[in-house]
Amino acid sequence: DGGITQSPKYLFRKEGQNVTLSCEQNLNHDAMYWYRQDPGQGLRLIYYSQIVNDFQKGDIAEGYSVSREKKESFPLTVTSAQKNPTAFYLCATTPGHLGETQYFGPGTRLLVL
Amino acid sequence: AQSVSQHNHHVILSEAASLELGCNYSYGGTVNLFWYVQYPGQHLQLLLKYFSGDPLVKGIKGFEAEFIKSKFSFNLRKPSVQWSDTAEYFCAVMMFSGGYNKLIFGAGTRLAVHP
Repeated sequence: DGGITQSPKYLFRKEGQNVTLSCEQNLNHDAMYWYRQDPGQGLRLIYYSQIVNDFQKGDIAEGYSVSREKKESFPLTVTSAQKNPTAFYLCATTPGHLGETQYFGPGTRLLVL
Repeated sequence: AQSVSQHNHHVILSEAASLELGCNYSYGGTVNLFWYVQYPGQHLQLLLKYFSGDPLVKGIKGFEAEFIKSKFSFNLRKPSVQWSDTAEYFCAVMMFSGGYNKLIFGAGTRLAVHP
């Protein structure tokens, strides 16, 4: 399935809790991305990373944090500062940069209890 | 502000009908253009793309799209849809601007094809 795995498939967050979404890839792609998908709004870029140990904010980075310690992994933490975290989160990769074809993972649905 | 518009949020067709989904963007510079598709229960995947050259591009499953630069459009077409084309379709535009590049997705169009 494209070499990108996301876990868990469903995640529940309690008020005030930080949660971390996993994204792993075995495509040997340099760049990785996190998107948030809401009904009727398409995909919005949260963070992206073009190389290890470097990442950039996207359009809606507030309330989120990331790390890129390994080429294969790009975890996303949804912090308590994110006031509306309920959404479908998609991880994607490209071989090199943002303008190339994106390869998507299966997604994680985050729900707030 | 830079934006990508998909004109129809929901489209319902019968099998064998022709399909055209609109996509317009607001940016005057160099672009890469994409259509992605999300079938029920599956990953988002590339349907077709335009980087340069022939503005009429062909993708998988009989889809095609035409880049009309003067109209800032990249409409998706298929002459005869099938029930298996039921999915959500996203247009995406990569806007190149010096050292700052931006990829914007449209809101998506849900297509339902009835047998």
